[in-house]
Amino acid sequence: DTGVSQNPRHKITKRGQNVTFRCDPISEHNRLYWYRQTLGQGPEFLTYFQNEAQLEKSRLLSDRFSAERPKGSFSTLEIQRTEQGDSAMYLCASSLMGPNEKLFFGSGTQLSVL
Amino acid sequence: AQSVTQPDIHITVSEGASLELRCNYSYGATPYLFWYVQSPGQGLQLLLKYFSGDTLVQGIKGFEAEFKRSQSSFNLRKPSVHWSDAAEYFCAVGSQSNKLTFGGGTRVLVKP
Repeated sequence: DTGVSQNPRHKITKRGQNVTFRCDPISEHNRLYWYRQTLGQGPEFLTYFQNEAQLEKSRLLSDRFSAERPKGSFSTLEIQRTEQGDSAMYLCASSLMGPNEKLFFGSGTQLSVL
Repeated sequence: AQSVTQPDIHITVSEGASLELRCNYSYGATPYLFWYVQSPGQGLQLLLKYFSGDTLVQGIKGFEAEFKRSQSSFNLRKPSVHWSDAAEYFCAVGSQSNKLTFGGGTRVLVKP
């Protein structure tokens, strides 16, 4: 069990550019979550998948954000036309659905939009 | 709407002293309640979770939390703090799907 892996660890981009992050969950986990954490705040829920189906999206997720989990394994989060307000830590978590469900978080991707 | 308030942004405690972190929540139904710890460069790690049953929950690393429905609180405690407990602690509330609402966090500093 290698845990939840996120790449890249850091991303610096210019305003208006597109960025894509990848999350590799724990292999047997069927649920995958994306959260965003800004400095000094707790994580905020963005979206989650059960297998390949995206079951819920937060109102925080504007049209510039899109997430996919095409084969029910890894997931990507793309931000188009980045803005300075998108600067944050993007966290991925995975879990195995069940009565004792527990989220396992990755170390995150730190995005800085200049 | 659900919400979580952690009133203390920073707490400084001496090594070996006891620690209590406060958490108040607002949730329409019976909540799932969680405490997570985040160390620099590390992912969030679950310390403990409550849904039902005994209102005093034991977690990892010697932590415990007590659910008090009348006070809408879920405070985290540790009897004797170690230097390695210096980190940021987050309380969260959610549903069974694990779509969580987190508090703003409490940063714990441990003095030698």
